[in-house]
Amino acid sequence: EDQVTQSPEALRLQEGESSSLNCSYTVSGLRGLFWYRQDPGKGPEFLFTLYSAGEEKEKERLKATLTKKESFLHITAPKPEDSATYLCAVQEGGNGGYNKLIFGAGTRLAVHP
Amino acid sequence: KAGVTQTPRYLIKTRGQQVTLSCSPISGHRSVSWYQQTPGQGLQFLFEYFSETQRNKGNFPGRFSGRQFSNSRSEMNVSTLELGDSALYLCASSFDGASGNTIYFGEGSWLTVV
Repeated sequence: EDQVTQSPEALRLQEGESSSLNCSYTVSGLRGLFWYRQDPGKGPEFLFTLYSAGEEKEKERLKATLTKKESFLHITAPKPEDSATYLCAVQEGGNGGYNKLIFGAGTRLAVHP
Repeated sequence: KAGVTQTPRYLIKTRGQQVTLSCSPISGHRSVSWYQQTPGQGLQFLFEYFSETQRNKGNFPGRFSGRQFSNSRSEMNVSTLELGDSALYLCASSFDGASGNTIYFGEGSWLTVV
C-alpha cells in the first residue's frame, strides 16, 4: 500500500538554526513528489516538485532533495515567517494516478526569534 | 493570473442536510481534484475530474459526489451530512494531471456539521 511518513511531527527552531524535515515514501511508481507549505486556515501553497532520485530544487531558504526512498526539505537560517506546516505528497504512477496525491501528516515548524 | 477559487469559504450545516461546494480552477487547467482535510486523518483524496469525466476516486462513501462542467468548473456534493463530515474541503487544479504538471490548491471551504 502506498504510504507517506513525515518526521518529525513538530519542530521548534531558533531563528537562524538550520534543520531538515524528512519525508519517507512507499509508492508503486513515483510520478512526482510534492512539497507544500500550509498556514493555519489556508490551503496548501506549492513549493517544489521532484521527479527522480538525485534531483534537487531550491527556493530562498528552502532546498528539497530526493532519493529512491525519501525526500528532505532543508531549511537554512530560518526566519519566524517560515513557521508553518510543511506537507509532503507523492503522485502515483501508472493508470489512474493523475492528480491523486497521497499526503503525509505534515511537520509543524515553529521558528522563534 | 487568478488562482483556484473555492466558494463558499465557510458554512455551517445540520446533520442530515446536504451541501454543495464549488471550485473554479486556474484558467486553462482541465483537471480538478478534491481533498478532505481533518485533524485526525490529514489530507485525503476524494476524486478527480478531467474533461467532465471522473478519472479517479478515493475511499469515501457514495454520499460524496462531484461533477465537472464544460468550462472545467467543478462542484462536489455531500448528502445526508454526518458530524464526521466537518472538515476543510480543498480543491486542486492542474493542466491535465500528467507528470510534470504542478498541482495548485485553493483556500478551501470550511464545513461545520452540527
